[in-house]
Amino acid sequence: GDQVEQSPSALSLHEGTGSALRCNFTTTMRAVQWFRKNSRGSLINLFYLASGTKENGRLKSAFDSKERYSTLHIRDAQLEDSGTYFCAAEAGGSNAKLTFGKGTKLSVKS
Amino acid sequence: GPKVLQIPSHQIIDMGQMVTLNCDPVSNHLYFYWYKQILGQQMEFLVNFYNGKVMEKSKLFKDQFSVERPDGSYFTLKIQPTALEDSAVYFCASRGTGENLYFGSGTRLTVL
Repeated sequence: GDQVEQSPSALSLHEGTGSALRCNFTTTMRAVQWFRKNSRGSLINLFYLASGTKENGRLKSAFDSKERYSTLHIRDAQLEDSGTYFCAAEAGGSNAKLTFGKGTKLSVKS
Repeated sequence: GPKVLQIPSHQIIDMGQMVTLNCDPVSNHLYFYWYKQILGQQMEFLVNFYNGKVMEKSKLFKDQFSVERPDGSYFTLKIQPTALEDSAVYFCASRGTGENLYFGSGTRLTVL
């Protein structure tokens, strides 16, 4: 089965609200990256975490290697947050070989 | 932020022909990667490349695939000969001394 299980697959939010995306890992991962793919197909780097939490503006991410999950919280969603969000995890000793989740398609509506 | 450029965004080629996908990685980056995404599926690792050598490759990196970065120019993925199942979007990525991987926007390869 998939090593990285991402949920939900799709999410619709009204402007100003928030939610959380989650990735569960079937094996112990060394680190996780979160990306957003915009309408032009570019993968925008959001976070890299080897442990703990990081926050950037309205986004906050957490990674727990032992419990095998990572989350991405979005608060006060804006229209420009729409896009597909991916987590990608790196196993130990893998030299940054990332295993991607299937993505969460976020639609923010006014 | 740092940008990885992939040109063109779409290539169409006849089965059996050779194709070279070009990637202009972030300046001063040392590690280079190719990922493949078949329609409707997630991105999957193909190969990573450092100091002129393939460091690791996946089962998807068939014998018909090769990579190189001659003299610090484009990082390329060559497929010779192409097969129908090679149709996919190919993403290039690069990494410097930090840990973040930076991705290009992909080249959609269509093999007819």
